[in-house]
Amino acid sequence: QSVLTQPPSVSGAPGQRVTISCTGSSSNIGAGYDVHWYQQLPGTAPKLLIYGNSNRPSGVPDRFSGSKSGTSASLAITGLQAEDEADYYCQSYDSSLSDVFGTGTKVTVL
Amino acid sequence: QLQLQESGPGLVKPSETLSLTCTVSGGSISSSSYYWGWIRQPPGKGLEWIGSIYYSGSTYYNPSLKSRVTISVDTSKNQFSLKLSSVTAADTAVYYCASSVTNAFDIWGQGTMVTVSS
Repeated sequence: QSVLTQPPSVSGAPGQRVTISCTGSSSNIGAGYDVHWYQQLPGTAPKLLIYGNSNRPSGVPDRFSGSKSGTSASLAITGLQAEDEADYYCQSYDSSLSDVFGTGTKVTVL
Repeated sequence: QLQLQESGPGLVKPSETLSLTCTVSGGSISSSSYYWGWIRQPPGKGLEWIGSIYYSGSTYYNPSLKSRVTISVDTSKNQFSLKLSSVTAADTAVYYCASSVTNAFDIWGQGTMVTVSS
């Protein structure tokens, strides 16, 4: 069972803004450890979307943004597109468990 | 551009040892810029970090798997490997190898499906 909790699913119409939360605790996100985000398209390997809470790797559209506050982090997708339909995972470090992934969120474009 | 490719048996019998190799191309596995990791994903489920190894040889394992996991590096072949002992059906998953420069897993292999069954 993951120590990082995400909503199972979020949905939005094309062009809308959706956010995915990643809720942790004082032993991981709240302890100051960075949060990273991954996108996993159906049948493919995860792809790094955001690293170090809010940094985008080269090639990732600026529609994707990350933030962190307290014991939680968020991924925002603005201008939602059909190609954004995928599973999204957060990742951080936990002082008792080492690297941990979130439970995952399925984004559906209506 | 760094690329990773997993290889190994797709079928392992219960109680045996699962062995996978990740071949690194486009960069040196000995570089202090990287560390290397294994992550798995059971069918229809989420991602689970298995463990990581640094260029120094230091290893870090998921506490829930630590007693069964060994990750090692073969610098002569530019590869790193995963061994998971005493496997059960619960170890059936897609296994990914990945590299990290940013403290996140920047580059991932395509993944390899391993089924535990007699």
